[in-house]
Amino acid sequence: DAGVTQSPTHLIKTRGQQVTLRCSPKSGHDTVSWYQQALGQGPQFIFQYYEEEERQRGNFPDRFSGHQFPNYSSELNVNALLLGDSALYLCASSLGDRKNTIYFGEGSWLTVV
Amino acid sequence: GNSVTQMEGPVTLSEEAFLTINCTYTATGYPSLFWYVQYPGEGLQLLLKATKADDKGSNKGFEATYRKETTSFHLEKGSVQVSDSAVYFCALSVENTGFQKLVFGTGTRLLVSP
Repeated sequence: DAGVTQSPTHLIKTRGQQVTLRCSPKSGHDTVSWYQQALGQGPQFIFQYYEEEERQRGNFPDRFSGHQFPNYSSELNVNALLLGDSALYLCASSLGDRKNTIYFGEGSWLTVV
Repeated sequence: GNSVTQMEGPVTLSEEAFLTINCTYTATGYPSLFWYVQYPGEGLQLLLKATKADDKGSNKGFEATYRKETTSFHLEKGSVQVSDSAVYFCALSVENTGFQKLVFGTGTRLLVSP
């Protein structure tokens, strides 16, 4: 049973560029969330997708956008990259609504130079 | 608002020592509480959880009890091993319109020496 898978594992981008990160949820899961973890900090919630719609959003600017596909996989897009966007981006998946366990992927390390 | 406060690290222990990592929370409503562990260069793994007051979560020798009266969820282990060296995150889940999102503490690094 595959867990949450993310790609790419590591990437380096230049300020002002755009990046797309990808996530496949754990088998059977239909809800995908994205978190940003800066170095030495706890993860911060970016947004969550269910049934291909954004259901919740954290305190992140519109430069951060996402998408969920019919097979429940998801993408995180960040435009006009800033140095401060350098972080580990974690995808999490769960089944439907409340009280179900949330599983995380290994993350995508983004470095903006 | 909703927040989690953890003791600052690093926590440095010798193998077989007793571990306590303190965690307190502030939340509206009745959150579920979690401990996640992050090994070097890896993502987060769920260690244990508790969904209501007085529940005890346990896994791999780690335990934590949901204390509503003190708004705490302290992590304990009776005898740590070198392999327990990692960063531990306390988190709560907040339900909004039927969907959970996690609010994390800043993490506590545990270093266990032989």
